[in-house]
Amino acid sequence: KNQVEQSPQSLIILEGKNCTLQCNYTVSPFSNLRWYKQDTGRGPVSLTIMTFSENTKSNGRYTATLDADTKQSSLHITASQLSDSASYICVVSGTGGGNKLTFGTGTQLKVEL
Amino acid sequence: DTGVSQDPRHKITKRGQNVTFRCDPISEHNRLYWYRQTLGQGPEFLTYFQNEAQLEKSRLLSDRFSAERPKGSFSTLEIQRTEQGDSAMYLCASSLAGGPVSEQYFGPGTRLTVT
Repeated sequence: KNQVEQSPQSLIILEGKNCTLQCNYTVSPFSNLRWYKQDTGRGPVSLTIMTFSENTKSNGRYTATLDADTKQSSLHITASQLSDSASYICVVSGTGGGNKLTFGTGTQLKVEL
Repeated sequence: DTGVSQDPRHKITKRGQNVTFRCDPISEHNRLYWYRQTLGQGPEFLTYFQNEAQLEKSRLLSDRFSAERPKGSFSTLEIQRTEQGDSAMYLCASSLAGGPVSEQYFGPGTRLTVT
């Protein structure tokens, strides 16, 4: 069964600090891995998309890494801001038709003063 | 705002009633997806359309659920004889077909509460 697991489940950090979120997946065959940010009560918004051949991708203060051999990914957030408080969801797409996405349960990040 | 809109944003209904949700995708997008998200979980795939054709349905989509995209533009998701277990956020996403890394743009969701 295709699964995406994330850790930690929740995280509290102080504004200005860095943090790293982890993702492990068992989706096969693998096509691409995405990180989404979801604010409470809103739809997910894409941060990064990485294919099999990409090891790292950045989007501003967000940097995602991918190790397709170990089926692991991480999302690093630098110089956190209060507005970074949200759920961060790791999403994997297989090579089947339709680009259906398999979502993790997310890491709930809270940035405090 | 991603350009995908959903209506209504919130719906409270009594068990046994029928409800219908609407999704308006980004106008040039030919693919439209429906997902369901329960509290504390990631979204789960329900079904998707390419133009007006419904190409795949999840086993999560019981006989009480039906989705349509009659003209290949907006889509509706109907739930008949709602149950308390149907309470969730229903998300719609759209994308351009053509490649495995097509970006999916999500709407704000419709939160359904069944009492």
